[in-house]
Amino acid sequence: DIQMTQSPSSLSAFVGDRVTVTCRASQSISSSLNWYQQKPGKAPKLLIYAASSLQSGAPSRFSGSGSGTDFTLTISSLQAEDFATYHCQQTYNTPWTFGQGTKLEIK
Amino acid sequence: QVQLQESGPGLVKPSETLSLTCTVSGGSISSYYWTWIRQPPGKGLEWIAYIYYSGSSNYNPSLKSRVSISIDTSKTQFSLKLTSVTAADTAVYYCARVPSRDGYPPYYFDYWGQGTLVTVSS
Repeated sequence: DIQMTQSPSSLSAFVGDRVTVTCRASQSISSSLNWYQQKPGKAPKLLIYAASSLQSGAPSRFSGSGSGTDFTLTISSLQAEDFATYHCQQTYNTPWTFGQGTKLEIK
Repeated sequence: QVQLQESGPGLVKPSETLSLTCTVSGGSISSYYWTWIRQPPGKGLEWIAYIYYSGSSNYNPSLKSRVSISIDTSKTQFSLKLTSVTAADTAVYYCARVPSRDGYPPYYFDYWGQGTLVTVSS
């Protein structure tokens, strides 16, 4: 199985900050990397697919980059509604696997 | 607007079979993959299985011996069965849609159900 490792596991930031979350795959996954946002008690919501494509309806302050084994999710200017847990996912090979999540909290 | 809704028992006894159904509304079930994911309380996400509208399927090897997925296109539903459950199978179970171009990548989960908590306990 391909292991996905996110860092950091948790992060505190202020509204307006630029925030970056990283995801590393245990082997190359080309650009087969997705990012989801999850708020407490809710289903995850797709933000970025294929490493850098913004899902329709997702705010443009979210962006993704990377290929191979190293990927980043960037929020250009943090808004109050962005405080949530972020998950990366690889769909290069089955079993499709997720990172452990990064919890973004208000400082 | 595509909507997915999970249904099934919220409590299952150990060693019994967990059965869930996902009903798709507001869109076609054809030309998509459909998938199940679970999340134990306070933990991360685990992909369980997917099925293509044509019926072909793929399972997570960690669960493969106990899980089956099926689809009923006439009812726009797909289902999950997990046998011989234990407390470790207690989780919120989500269904989701996987768009694809004629079955080819990229694969991602664009619409999700709200999730249903299944507790395994006697």
